[in-house]
Amino acid sequence: DAGITQSPRHKVTETGTPVTLRCHQTENHRYMYWYRQDPGHGLRLIHYSYGVKDTDKGEVSDGYSVSRSKTEDFLLTLESATSSQTSVYFCAIRDLRASSYNEQFFGPGTRLTVL
Amino acid sequence: AQKITQTQPGMFVQEKEAVTLDCTYDTSDPSYGLFWYKQPSSGEMIFLIYQGSYDQQNATEGRYSLNFQKARKSANLVISASQLGDSAMYFCAMRERGETSGSRLTFGEGTQLTVNP
Repeated sequence: DAGITQSPRHKVTETGTPVTLRCHQTENHRYMYWYRQDPGHGLRLIHYSYGVKDTDKGEVSDGYSVSRSKTEDFLLTLESATSSQTSVYFCAIRDLRASSYNEQFFGPGTRLTVL
Repeated sequence: AQKITQTQPGMFVQEKEAVTLDCTYDTSDPSYGLFWYKQPSSGEMIFLIYQGSYDQQNATEGRYSLNFQKARKSANLVISASQLGDSAMYFCAMRERGETSGSRLTFGEGTQLTVNP
């Protein structure tokens, strides 16, 4: 258990509304990631962070923004949600201490539906 | 171009038999890592096994082994003695070198494995 929680776990919203998803970790990991999972696409990276206030874009960043004002929280914001952003969103951390693999550990996911 | 290709959308195997899940990758980076994750129907992502590009031996973790053929750019997952609990979606992923990339992972589309009793 890498101590990752995501909130909310489920959300239904309407097109055009802003949405913020929160990822919280308790183990002081430097690297955090947001992915989305859609059928036929596996997981795709949206944004990632390599430290407080240090973030960068992934392959599907359009329509999303992120913020990391403290180590434990990584927020993903959809400024104006669209139906194409209906997906399952996973947060992940990169654990530099667990093993030499530096594998990523994932949160439980947030299922977002945009009507 | 696809960096990770999993050509088997679905696979079926009888309980107690072995099964191989295919994964091919594309990279020009000489230093990379390959991961397999399992996603059961409950939705969580579970790390299974890792293979580094410079590792001389194929990785093994319990009933999981990785058939790494570097020249063919393939990293197939072998599950021995399948169990009903192995029924899940399996994802292959690659991490390319470079701290500037944040060690991001690129995932394949996944293979849905069903273990029949």
